[in-house]
Amino acid sequence: AQTVTQSQPEMSVQEAETVTLSCTYDTSESDYYLFWYKQPPSRQMILVIRQEAYKQQNATENRFSVNFQKAAKSFSLKISDSQLGDAAMYFCAYRSGAYQLIWGAGTKLIIKP
Amino acid sequence: NAGVMQNPRHLVRRRGQEARLRCSPMKGHSHVYWYRQLPEEGLKFMVYLQKENIIDESGMPKERFSAEFPKEGPSILRIQQVVRGDSAAYFCASSLGTDTQYFGPGTRLTVL
Repeated sequence: AQTVTQSQPEMSVQEAETVTLSCTYDTSESDYYLFWYKQPPSRQMILVIRQEAYKQQNATENRFSVNFQKAAKSFSLKISDSQLGDAAMYFCAYRSGAYQLIWGAGTKLIIKP
Repeated sequence: NAGVMQNPRHLVRRRGQEARLRCSPMKGHSHVYWYRQLPEEGLKFMVYLQKENIIDESGMPKERFSAEFPKEGPSILRIQQVVRGDSAAYFCASSLGTDTQYFGPGTRLTVL
């Protein structure tokens, strides 16, 4: 069975600096998708970035980028120039040919002004 | 283009009552998913529906829980005879095909 692990329950970063959130997963599939979602205090689940496993190029969305290491089954999220509005829970999620998302336990990101 | 809508945002029920949670998918989306989030945890898949069909309900408790997505109107997640352990945030997501899922704001259910 597929699993997703986020080993950092909480991370903190100074405003304007860079932070990396870790995610590893376990699967025997070769074709799948990986996602990072953000959940601010409003509890809304917001898609941050997605990566198709067949693409070697790392996905980037403005200040958010991923480091996708397929062989190592690692999918970390880098946030550059951290802003106060980035404070939230961040969840890593996996989806294979099936449709259901499998979620990590989340990392709480604190931004220090 | 409105996003995924869920209502109510907060729902309080006493033990033994019924809870009905509604989800309207994004315009043009015909795939709906329900997830449950317990405090301090990630989401857990419950059920996947297309219009008038339940495709996968492997994450649904066998008793008291049911879901539907009728031809007209929102998807409904129904919990009968609620217990305290049902207290959680329930999220609905929709997708165009089986592509990226977009989430609603969730319904926070509190069972007294």
